[in-house]
Amino acid sequence: SQTIHQWPATLVQPVGSPLSLECTVEGTSNPNLYWYRQAAGRGLQLLFYSVGIGQISSEVPQNLSASRPQDRQFILSSKKLLLSDSGFYLCAWSVVRVAVNGYTFGSGTRLTVV
Amino acid sequence: AQSVTQPDIHITVSEGASLELRCNYSYGATPYLFWYVQSPGQGLQLLLKYFSGDTLVQGIKGFEAEFKRSQSSFNLRKPSVHWSDAAEYFCAVGALTSGTYKYIFGTGTRLKVLA
Repeated sequence: SQTIHQWPATLVQPVGSPLSLECTVEGTSNPNLYWYRQAAGRGLQLLFYSVGIGQISSEVPQNLSASRPQDRQFILSSKKLLLSDSGFYLCAWSVVRVAVNGYTFGSGTRLTVV
Repeated sequence: AQSVTQPDIHITVSEGASLELRCNYSYGATPYLFWYVQSPGQGLQLLLKYFSGDTLVQGIKGFEAEFKRSQSSFNLRKPSVHWSDAAEYFCAVGALTSGTYKYIFGTGTRLKVLA
């Protein structure tokens, strides 16, 4: 069966420090991968998505970047964190026919920038 | 542009009472619609989905939703709420953008259940 792993679960980082959040998927090949951010009191905002290795699309201009070095690995990064980067980050994957099958979400990373 | 509106930010119901969470969407074609539930500090779990056929769809945990094209709505219902249903609920529409399907989420409705 397919599983998605996301870590760490919780992270507290000082302003200006780097960030690396990792997401891996098991049990499937060539998934679509997504990074969402959920800020307090707001909905889910799509940050990045990837349809293949090295293929990254950014949805909103921001202080973050994403990479997909392997088929089932998706990394969210920042060189220097801002206070506004705090939030709950969710990774998700889908098969190609996402419209029918939907996403499967990871358990999320709570990032607090202090 | 595609959008999803969940007009109720917070809803409080008593345990055993019925529940309806509202969702309205804007999408030019036949929509693919989803409801997700998020428990505190957790990821999102798919409750149910609609993409064609019967407009009343059944999901997990006793939830159902009805697609009404004339009203552009996809409201979530449950006849009798349990305390464990307290969570945040998100409606989403699948949209084809630049050749890739992505989801557009509503801002969520937080459900509180009174004992």
